[in-house]
Order: sequence, then C-alpha cells, then structure tokens
Amino acid sequence: SAVISQKPSRDICQRGTSLTIQCQVDSQVTMMFWYRQQPGQSLTLIATANQGSEATYESGFVIDKFPISRPNLTFSTLTVSNMSPEDSSIYLCSVPWGGTQYFGPGTRLLVL
Amino acid sequence: DAKTTQPTSMDCAEGRAANLPCNHSTISGNEYVYWYRQIHSQGPQYIIHGLKNNETNEMASLIITEDRKSSTLILPHATLRDTAVYYCIVRADPVMDSNYQLIWGAGTKLIIKP
Repeated sequence: SAVISQKPSRDICQRGTSLTIQCQVDSQVTMMFWYRQQPGQSLTLIATANQGSEATYESGFVIDKFPISRPNLTFSTLTVSNMSPEDSSIYLCSVPWGGTQYFGPGTRLLVL
Repeated sequence: DAKTTQPTSMDCAEGRAANLPCNHSTISGNEYVYWYRQIHSQGPQYIIHGLKNNETNEMASLIITEDRKSSTLILPHATLRDTAVYYCIVRADPVMDSNYQLIWGAGTKLIIKP
C-alpha cells in the first residue's frame, strides 16, 4: 500500500489569506489527485497533478484559486488562495496504487 | 454523476452482519465495483473490489449479482469502529487505466449500535 501524509492536519484561517497544503507519499507515483470535501458532502475532485507538467483542473476549479505544485514523484502542494468561508472544507490528496486509490488523512480547513 | 445508488443511511447492531446494498444498473463489462469507507475526520479507506465473482478479504465480503447490476458489501461482525460512510464506486479496469478518476456518490452512512 501507499502511505500518504498531509500537513497541516487542520488550520483556522482568516478570509483573504492563503494556505498551502502539503502531501507526501512514501513511494514514487506518476499522478496525484486533490479532492475537496465540503461539510456533510462527498468528495469532489479539484485537479490531477502530474510531475513535470501543469495540473489538470476539473470544471469549477481554476489554477488562480488552487495553484498546485508537483516538484517530484513523491510530493505535491495545493494552495487555497484568497480564502473565503466557502472554502471551509477537508482537502484530501490521493494516489493510484495497486489498482486502487489511497488517500491521505486530510487537511481540515476553517475560514473565518 | 456517480453511476451507483445507495441508501442514505443504515443501522446495524454490534456483532451482527452489516449488509450494504448498491445498485449499478449501467455498469459496463470492463468496470469493477469498488468499496471505500470514510470514518469521521479521516481520509477514505479502501475496503474491497470485484468484477463479477464474489470476493472476500480480512475486512469484508463483496457479493455481486450474476447480472452485475447490483452488489452487497458484507461486514460479518460489525463493531462500533465500523461506523462510517460507505461508498460504492464503479470504475474502469485498473490494469487498463491505473489513473482512472473515482466518481463519488453520497454513500451510505452506517451506524453500528451497541
């Protein structure tokens, strides 16, 4: 299995600020996925991050709001920019591995 | 949109078998049925998957109907720690497309009662 860690595990932020979430995998993977889970909702894919190329964003998500870095095969960051209370969610990274997907523990974000 | 439908919530007594149904009537021949669960405040956890044969592992059993239009996840002896949201997901053959994106429905909130 792939072991995934995320930092921070949770944060409380003021509106208008930005937060960068880190995702570290214990194995080299080509793709990493970033998801958002709003309170009481299911998971929604934000973007797919490939090492060495631009991230691919899903409908409703844009690079200016959620810039992603993928500097190597074991690490990625997602930045939530110019935050508003509507950005309060759990943010999860995920990697495909062994025919399934493994998820990090999530970053719980509260924007005041 | 998710290709599966599941009941919104279910209760089960501790120590009994929890049977979680899932309908996937539009499943294609090369699509697998995957089950994940998400315990409160944690990331989703893989449970089991199958194509057409019944599958069993240390966590659960998966029963897929012969026409493959529905399946049931069975937790044989539910414990309080099995309280979670359970997601049934249909996805393409992982050998053919290991990076296939998962499409998440609302899942079933399973509550195990003492």
